[in-house]
Amino acid sequence: EAGVTQFPSHSVIEKGQTVTLRCDPISGHDNLYWYRRVMGKEIKFLLHFVKESKQDESGMPNNRFLAERTGGTYSTLKVQPAELEDSGVYFCASSRGTAWGNYGYTFGSGTRLTVV
Amino acid sequence: GENVEQHPSTLSVQEGDSAVIKCTYSDSASNYFPWYKQELGKRPQLIIDIRSNVGEKKDQRIAVTLNKTAKHFSLHITETQPEDSAVYFCAASISTGNQFYFGTGTSLTVIP
Repeated sequence: EAGVTQFPSHSVIEKGQTVTLRCDPISGHDNLYWYRRVMGKEIKFLLHFVKESKQDESGMPNNRFLAERTGGTYSTLKVQPAELEDSGVYFCASSRGTAWGNYGYTFGSGTRLTVV
Repeated sequence: GENVEQHPSTLSVQEGDSAVIKCTYSDSASNYFPWYKQELGKRPQLIIDIRSNVGEKKDQRIAVTLNKTAKHFSLHITETQPEDSAVYFCAASISTGNQFYFGTGTSLTVIP
């Protein structure tokens, strides 16, 4: 099966600009997650979709971040306006059932965002 | 919330030696502990996991141990090979939620 696809793989933007990251989960995976790793730190949860609904967005840092998953397929994560501290690697993951269950996550390769 | 700490942050071993990475967690409700390996430029991949009803799990050269009382779990890699070089992340999860709490990662270098 095709894996989780993220693009772009890299993005360099200026502070104050807008960037939109995209994630295509594995077909049939209802659960989609966004995580972020800031340089040298842990991979931190941002939010979780079940189909098109936001199940948990407790990890979203502030209202400059907007995630959508229209139609329950691919998801986008928009940062507007971007700040320097938003730099990091943004990972998307998907799972068929609950992550705690027997399915686990499949991660994408990530988008490396650099805000200058 | 859950807090996962991971040590060491970097680890270098000679090929053929063993490598051990340790993680601690804070929430006694956590009951699922996966380990992910991320090679340079690639996606994190699940390499082994353990649930709280098991104390140890092995898969060829890798093993994970869990001490629920002490709230720590460890990854053991034996007979290391250069292709084991990567960043390894531990994580903890609670069955009532879908969120993983990750450690800060360990960069393992296996020296040929």
